[in-house]
Amino acid sequence: EVRLVESGGALVQPGGSLRLSCVVSGFDFSKYSMNWVRQAPGKGLEWVSYVSGGSRTIYYAESVKGRFTVSRDNARNSLYLQMNSLKGEDAAVYYCARDGSGKSINWFDPWGQGTPVTVSS
Amino acid sequence: EIVMTQSPATLSVSPGERVTLSCRASQSISNNLAWYQQKPGQAPRLLIYGASTRATGIPVRFSGSGSGTEFTLTISSLQSEDFAIYYCQQYNKGPPYTFGQGTKLDIK
Repeated sequence: EVRLVESGGALVQPGGSLRLSCVVSGFDFSKYSMNWVRQAPGKGLEWVSYVSGGSRTIYYAESVKGRFTVSRDNARNSLYLQMNSLKGEDAAVYYCARDGSGKSINWFDPWGQGTPVTVSS
Repeated sequence: EIVMTQSPATLSVSPGERVTLSCRASQSISNNLAWYQQKPGQAPRLLIYGASTRATGIPVRFSGSGSGTEFTLTISSLQSEDFAIYYCQQYNKGPPYTFGQGTKLDIK
């Protein structure tokens, strides 16, 4: 069974930092690109970041570029999102999601259960 | 950036009805479109990719169609478990990989 389990979400002050993790199982992690997608409270879905299987290609949404850093450790079957200089508008549930195609075509399947990030003083 | 627009925002329907949800892209995306279902407190679930291919385990009552800029998701006979929010997403040109704002299916 394919599983993605996020962790690391917390309450953080504006300007603070947080590191999210996503541990996967049930598939060959190194062969799949991965994404972070977020959902602000009561809002829709927003793609945040992409990393290829070998970490050679990385993309960010403009809204987080320069503040967030995505990385992965294929030996640990783990995906990370380092979030710095957090703003109120970064408050959301953060999901990790696998590239569903296995060819970096980028529909998302499956998704983790999400980890909530609250940004407030 | 490709903007995805879904309509309507909310649809009130009765179980057993046939329903069609629309998604429009601001420019042609060929058939590079996915549909997701999200229930309260849950992660999104992939329903359709390639505009019309059902994902593994998705019931046949769900079907997708369209290409270019106009797409539809049809549920042939609504079941109680289908009341949820549905999102479309384009992956033709990215990043960013953009989503529509969602269509909420309510029980009439």
